[in-house]
Amino acid sequence: DVKVTQSSRYLVKRTGEKVFLECVQDMDHENMFWYRQDPGLGLRLIYFSYDVKMKEKGDIPEGYSVSREKKERFSLILESASTNQTSMYLCASSLVLQGEGYGYTFGSGTRLTVV
Amino acid sequence: QKEVEQDPGPLSVPEGAIVSLNCTYSNSAFQYFMWYRQYSRKGPELLMYTYSSGNKEDGRFTAQVDKSSKYISLFIRDSQPSDSATYLCAMNGPRDTGKLIFGQGTTLQVKP
Repeated sequence: DVKVTQSSRYLVKRTGEKVFLECVQDMDHENMFWYRQDPGLGLRLIYFSYDVKMKEKGDIPEGYSVSREKKERFSLILESASTNQTSMYLCASSLVLQGEGYGYTFGSGTRLTVV
Repeated sequence: QKEVEQDPGPLSVPEGAIVSLNCTYSNSAFQYFMWYRQYSRKGPELLMYTYSSGNKEDGRFTAQVDKSSKYISLFIRDSQPSDSATYLCAMNGPRDTGKLIFGQGTTLQVKP
């Protein structure tokens, strides 16, 4: 089974701190994604990456950046954390389904609280 | 208008009921349709997927796609308290991006 591992389940950070969220997948997938999930808003795509050193903005990239130096690792960076970035952050890796459709394998999520 | 619409609920049913969860979408180019189940404080897990129109059954779960109406459904028979979760529909965006478009998710509670 593909595993997507997020380094922390729960994080509490202070306003203005630089925050790193790490995600590692073990199946050599090219595509990786970062989402945030908030009640009433569903999943919102922050950034995604098709390959090493490649990144594309999603729907809500403001206040975030990403790094993909190795294929298996995709990091989300909050340059200066703010309280409105308190959320559940989900990393996903894309897998090819039978018939060549795509699905995701998600990590367990990181619940970030910014105080 | 969102590309994928899903009623967030919550939906509460008694144990043993048949549950129907639905999504509508606007992009006729979507071809792959998925349902994810997400338990509280966990990441979503892929439950079922279908390609194009038709039905797919897996145990108590049936996924149905009607491309002519741009409507997909997930049916759960003999629902159990362990089915209590949020169910998200998802669809394939442009094939070469591998990016999925998600519905908002429907929260389901099955009461014993």
